[in-house]
Amino acid sequence: SQKIEQNSEALNIQEGKTATLTCNYTNYSPAYLQWYRQDPGRGPVFLLLIRENEKEKRKERLKVTFDTTLKQSLFHITASQPADSATYLCAWGNNQGGKLIFGQGTELSVKP
Amino acid sequence: KAGVTQTPRYLIKTRGQQVTLSCSPISGHRSVSWYQQTPGQGLQFLFEYFSETQRNKGNFPGRFSGRQFSNSRSEMNVSTLELGDSALYLCASSLEGALTNYGYTFGSGTRLTVV
Repeated sequence: SQKIEQNSEALNIQEGKTATLTCNYTNYSPAYLQWYRQDPGRGPVFLLLIRENEKEKRKERLKVTFDTTLKQSLFHITASQPADSATYLCAWGNNQGGKLIFGQGTELSVKP
Repeated sequence: KAGVTQTPRYLIKTRGQQVTLSCSPISGHRSVSWYQQTPGQGLQFLFEYFSETQRNKGNFPGRFSGRQFSNSRSEMNVSTLELGDSALYLCASSLEGALTNYGYTFGSGTRLTVV
């Protein structure tokens, strides 16, 4: 079955370091991957989208890569801050409308 | 501009009852999707409506249904509630619901507790 997996449930890093989150997919070829941030009790907030024919996307301190050979997307937060602490979700979609398949999420904790 | 509004924020219902949740998308957005979020299963797609038509459906029983009105507002209904239906129900809106650079805008959700 189609599956999307995020590499760990929790990631603890020191302020100022780069956080790297992993998203792997199996049994399908997504047209695009999206990354969201979710804070407790709130809905996910869209961060970045990367298409299957793109290698890398950047937005301020955020960078996402997409490797269709490895079937993997990496999400980087550079110069991390305690305010970046949240759960980060990856989701894949195709070109057939508004259905997203979400990973379980990675809880990031940035310590001062 | 106003975000996605979901009402109510919290709801407690008894097993066997039915419930209706409401979602008002961002003005101009025609696609509305619904998701169920639980600690064990994460975010799972329920269905998507676009211009009043259901365009996609997830793997949920027929007790879960929805509709979209001409002003793009959407409702979802769950009949014969079960304890396992306790979850955060999230609504997401987008312009077209597919490949956009703007992703989906989620509401804060309705927390449903079935007792």
